[in-house]
Amino acid sequence: AQSVTQLDSQVPVFEEAPVELRCNYSSSVSVYLFWYVQYPNQGLQLLLKYLSGSTLVKSINGFEAEFNKSQTSFHLRKPSVHISDTAEYFCAVSDDSGGYNKLIFGAGTRLAVHP
Amino acid sequence: DTEVTQTPKHLVMGMTNKKSLKCEQHMGHRAMYWYKQKAKKPPELMFVYSYEKLSINESVPSRFSPECPNSSLLNLHLHALQPEDSALYLCASSQDDRGKYNEQFFGPGTRLTVL
Repeated sequence: AQSVTQLDSQVPVFEEAPVELRCNYSSSVSVYLFWYVQYPNQGLQLLLKYLSGSTLVKSINGFEAEFNKSQTSFHLRKPSVHISDTAEYFCAVSDDSGGYNKLIFGAGTRLAVHP
Repeated sequence: DTEVTQTPKHLVMGMTNKKSLKCEQHMGHRAMYWYKQKAKKPPELMFVYSYEKLSINESVPSRFSPECPNSSLLNLHLHALQPEDSALYLCASSQDDRGKYNEQFFGPGTRLTVL
């Protein structure tokens, strides 16, 4: 079965600084990877997804993530963060080992952007 | 319409009450999900409905009873809950429950408090 590890539970950063949120998954034949963001008291919003094709995927608000099969990683990056990026970020992998696809979430990384 | 709606937003109930949570989507998705999320934790899968049939029950206590009246609606009936059931309950939907189509769209959640 798949597992997802988010190495940092909290990442404090100053506004306009770059940030990287790390995500590693256990290997599988077929893997689909997602980053979700959760703002306080809200549901989860899909930020990025890797299904196939180009290993570098980008969001409309400046985030990007790179699928690295050899390192089984899908790290999330942003070159310059804004206060409004403060949120919980969840990495997730779609697992088909049980005969159907189950979304496996990492424990989450709390991004705190300070002025 | 790319939205999943949930009602109510907040619910306070006693341990002897019966209440229901509602979820609706109009994206033509054929898979719908209930998750439970405790504070500072990732969502935990409870139930999966695929083509209006219950396909997965993740060993959830019988005091939680899901229902899928049609392809757009998903209910979660609650009865005799315990205080530890207090959490954010999230509904999600996806085009299918297989492969890359497992990109899930989440609702804003219902914040449940059991007294």
